[in-house]
Amino acid sequence: DIQMTQSPSSLSASVGDRVTITCRASQSISSYLNWYQQKPGKAPKLLIYAASSLQSGVPSRFSGSGSGTDFTLTISSLQPEDFATYYCQQSYSTPVTFGQGTRLEIK
Amino acid sequence: QVQLVQSGAEVKKPGASVKVSCKASGYTFTGYYMHWVRQAPGQGLEWMGRINPNSGGTNYAQKFQGRVTMTRDTSISTAYMELSRLRSDDTAVYYCARDVSAGCDLDYWGQGTLVTVSS
Repeated sequence: DIQMTQSPSSLSASVGDRVTITCRASQSISSYLNWYQQKPGKAPKLLIYAASSLQSGVPSRFSGSGSGTDFTLTISSLQPEDFATYYCQQSYSTPVTFGQGTRLEIK
Repeated sequence: QVQLVQSGAEVKKPGASVKVSCKASGYTFTGYYMHWVRQAPGQGLEWMGRINPNSGGTNYAQKFQGRVTMTRDTSISTAYMELSRLRSDDTAVYYCARDVSAGCDLDYWGQGTLVTVSS
C-alpha cells in the first residue's frame, strides 16, 4: 500500500496568513493526488484534484502543486471559514490511502 | 443537483452485522463508481472499497476482505455497504462518496452514518 504522510499534523495561523501543508507519498504517484477539507461533524469536501486542479466552486485562494512524491496545498490568505482539517489522498492505485490529516487552528 | 443520502445511525452488538444505504440522486447512478470511507471518532479517513454500480464489480481494501460486502440496486439508485462480525473498533462514521472519474477522485459525499458497536 502507498503510505501518505502529511506535515505538520497541526498548525496555528491567523486570518490573512499564507499557509502551506505538505504531503509525501511513499512511492511516486505522478500527479494522482487530491486534497480534501473537513469541518467538524461534516463530510470531507474535495478541494484540489490531480495535484493542482481546483474543484469547481472552490475559492482561488486554494492551490496545489507537486508531482512524484512531494505535494503541497497552499492557502494564500486564510479566511475564518478555512479553519478545518485537511487531508491528502492518493488516487494512483487501490487501496486508496489518505494522509493522517492536518488540523488548521486559529492562532 | 447531486445528492447522496445515507441511512440513519445504528447501534449494534459485537459480532452482529450492519448494512448502510446510500441513495443517489441528481445524476446517472450507473455512470460513476461509489466508494465507502470510514472515520473512527477523532481519527482520520480510511478507505474500505468501491463498487461499479453498472457492473456490480467491487474492489475491497485487504483489511476488510471477508467482512465487507458492497452491493447496489440500480432500480432505486442506491448503494449498500454491509459489514459483518462487528467489533468495538468498527465504531465509526461511514461515508459513501461518488467517484467523479473512476480514478478515485471523490467529488460528492453522503452525510455519513454513525455505527456504534457496543455490548
